[in-house]
Amino acid sequence: AQKITQTQPGMFVQEKEAVTLDCTYDTSDQSYGLFWYKQPSSGEMIFLIYQGSYDEQNATEGRYSLNFQKARKSANLVISASQLGDSAMYFCAMREGRGGGSNYKLTFGKGTLLTVNP
Amino acid sequence: GAVVSQHPSRVICKSGTSVKIECRSLDFQATTMFWYRQFPKQSLMLMATSNEGSKATYEQGVEKDKFLINHASLTLSTLTVTSAHPEDSSFYICSARGQGAADTEAFFGQGTRLTVV
Repeated sequence: AQKITQTQPGMFVQEKEAVTLDCTYDTSDQSYGLFWYKQPSSGEMIFLIYQGSYDEQNATEGRYSLNFQKARKSANLVISASQLGDSAMYFCAMREGRGGGSNYKLTFGKGTLLTVNP
Repeated sequence: GAVVSQHPSRVICKSGTSVKIECRSLDFQATTMFWYRQFPKQSLMLMATSNEGSKATYEQGVEKDKFLINHASLTLSTLTVTSAHPEDSSFYICSARGQGAADTEAFFGQGTRLTVV
């Protein structure tokens, strides 16, 4: 079974509008971390936002917020006021267990290609 | 955030030759480094994890004799693709973490696009 599922291969949004990118995860661990990364066409991985499994508040970082629904095992990324520069591939990732040293391991979803239209 | 530099960003090599990719942590000591492979329009797949001074731990299905990883210092890890073939053409990206790093502190290099002709 996939540990990270991103069901939207591609999404389109109009500039200045908000968009939600879906991510569901599967783990039996109590301690885990959820990440969103942005990958523009240049290939670099840009860290956007993080949610720890024990964090009670949804994470927010500027225009990015993470809608964390633990019971549903979902961690959707919300981008508000989309900009043309937001057009990129977006990956959801999970770190399971108490990761330290070589136990730290990120599992990535297949990604969602977001296109922001002017 | 911390800086991880990966070099080269692009490389084209002939089939049968070896290619070395470097990953350097510029402003922290990278006790653990991770190497990922990404096929076009696909996800990142972890190839191996290395701790400084130790042998790398390879993920299932990754040929350790083909993808040689060296992590000889706290600031440098290298991935050598030996006897490269066209099917090895891919995007390779490293990530580095320091001792006691927070969960979010896995810093990525810029990636290397390898084309084997």
